[in-house]
Amino acid sequence: QQQVKQSPQSLIVQKGGIPIINCAYENTAFDYFPWYQQFPGKGPALLIAIRPDVSEKKEGRFTISFNKSAKQFSLHIMDSQPGDSATYFCAASKSNYQLIWGAGTKLIIKP
Amino acid sequence: GAGVSQSPSNKVTEKGKDVELRCDPISGHTALYWYRQSLGQGLEFLIYFQGNSAPDKSGLPSDRFSAERTGGSVSTLTIQRTQQEDSAVYLCASRREVSNQPQHFGDGTRLSIL
Repeated sequence: QQQVKQSPQSLIVQKGGIPIINCAYENTAFDYFPWYQQFPGKGPALLIAIRPDVSEKKEGRFTISFNKSAKQFSLHIMDSQPGDSATYFCAASKSNYQLIWGAGTKLIIKP
Repeated sequence: GAGVSQSPSNKVTEKGKDVELRCDPISGHTALYWYRQSLGQGLEFLIYFQGNSAPDKSGLPSDRFSAERTGGSVSTLTIQRTQQEDSAVYLCASRREVSNQPQHFGDGTRLSIL
């Protein structure tokens, strides 16, 4: 009930491609779904977040798609660049009290 | 300061020694979290301090681990009698206690137990 399942574990995409990272949750009480980006040697940093009352949110080249009925949400990165190479974590919580984290996706964008 | 500050950035110690890791949260952030991240892995929740409430210690892996938060600001994570499996990056995060405010992370302390 408390798990957030993230896939794939790793992903390699050519520059300009659109990597897609997927997450699924069970707890219908979750109402906050952030994505964090982590570079080697650094702490995770908030990238974008969504609430379940919207189906999509865009910030620059990053888009979250949210499917409430399927209990799934995904991150899309448009026009991906080598600088986007990082580990991405999805998470979920009820009112951001305590985040339940996905296992992470290591993304590599090839030049 | 501008961000969450953690010290030391790296710590190497011998098995059996005690270690203290420090976290200085963003000013005004009353919620503070400690996580552990093993190499190439996700984030493992350890403990959560929320204002003046009793901390949520449900993630501490054993009684060798403890944490304090003095004056509602700086926090110290203490690991007693360290074991090799304690080797990991220990991350601290803080946030404003308003609904849906994000957690802001420090860059962590990389702990290596020889």
